[in-house]
This record gives sequence, structure tokens and C-alpha cells, in this order.
Amino acid sequence: GESVGLHLPTLSVQEGDNSIINCAYSNSASDYFIWYKQESGKGPQFIIDIRSNMDKRQGQRVTVLLNKTVKHLSLQIAATQPGDSAVYFCAENGDSSNTGKLIFGQGTTLQVKP
Amino acid sequence: DSGVTQTPKHLITATGQRVTLRCSPRSGDLSVYWYQQSLDQGLQFLIHYYNGEERAKGNILERFSAQQFPDLHSELNLSSLELGDSALYFCASSPQGDRAHTIYFGEGSWLTVV
Repeated sequence: GESVGLHLPTLSVQEGDNSIINCAYSNSASDYFIWYKQESGKGPQFIIDIRSNMDKRQGQRVTVLLNKTVKHLSLQIAATQPGDSAVYFCAENGDSSNTGKLIFGQGTTLQVKP
Repeated sequence: DSGVTQTPKHLITATGQRVTLRCSPRSGDLSVYWYQQSLDQGLQFLIHYYNGEERAKGNILERFSAQQFPDLHSELNLSSLELGDSALYFCASSPQGDRAHTIYFGEGSWLTVV
């Protein structure tokens, strides 16, 4: 069945280092892949997305990489800051429709050590 | 602040009862989504409404129902509540067009069934 999974449940990094959060997906029909950040007690917050016809997309301090050959998605955060501490979810739309009906991974907790 | 408003923030109720969760989407968004977040199931899509019409259903129980009103606000009704319904319920909205997959979440409604 459809699934989006994360390789590691918790990632601990030193402040200032780069972080890489990985995600595996299984639905080849997914057209959009999205990363969300969820801080404690808050709703998930959109970070960045990438369409299936792209390999890489950059935002402010974040980069998303898509490898369709191995169905792998990653989020890179440059110069990680304490404010980046949160749970990060990858999500996919699961089919070719462009809607917010998303399939979420289980989440990776990012802990930033000062 | 995503612009999506949810009430109530917290709710404690007994088994067998019925509750209504309310959501106001971002200004201009016609699509409203409901998601459930629990420790064992993660973030699960429940239902999608677009301009008052149901567009897609996910793993939503028959005891749950939703609607979207002409002013675009939405309500999620949960009835015959069970202990297992305790979870965080999120409403989200998305714009039209190319960005329809980028959903913006509210802060959520914490439901505890006792």
C-alpha cells in the first residue's frame, strides 16, 4: 500500500552544523512532495515542496532533494539553529491530483544542541 | 500564524458523547481539510471539502462527519466517542491552482475522551 516513511526517528545535531533528514516514499504516482515542521503544541508548518519533475529545490537555509530512482526524499538544513528543533514530516500527494490530500510520514525529531 | 483558526483548542468529554470542532480557513482559500494526529497513527487525512462540496474522504469513521458552510468555515462532528478517538484534530486550508497541494494547518483541537 501507499506509505511514506522516515529512516530515523530522532536526529541530534550541534548548533551551526548542517542537518539532513531523510524520507522514503513508495508511490511512484506522487507528483508533489512536501516538508513540514511541527513545533511542540503547534500545527505543522509548510517548509518547502518539490515537484516530481525536479531533483532539487532550494529555499532559505533549506534544500530538498528528490531521487525518484530510489524513491528517496531529503531535507537539508544549513547552519542549524536552536529554533529548528521540531518534528519534521515529509508528505506526498499519493496520486496525480494536485490537492491537499497528503500522505504523511511518521516524523523525525530534530534536536539541536547548543 | 497560518491564518487558519480552530476552536476549541482543548476539549475533554466522556465516551458516548458528541462534539463539534470548528474551523475557519485562510482568507481566500476554498479548500478545507481535516486531519487527525495520534501517537500510533501519525497524521491521517480525514476529509476534504471544496467550496461547500465534499471532494475526498480518507480514513474517516462513519461516526464522524463534516461539512463546509457557504461562508467557507467547516465543522467536524464526532459522535459516539470512544477512548481511541482521543487525538489532535487539525484543520487545514489550501489555495487554488498550482499551490493547491500546499496546505496550511491551524493550531489544532486537542480532544480527550475519558
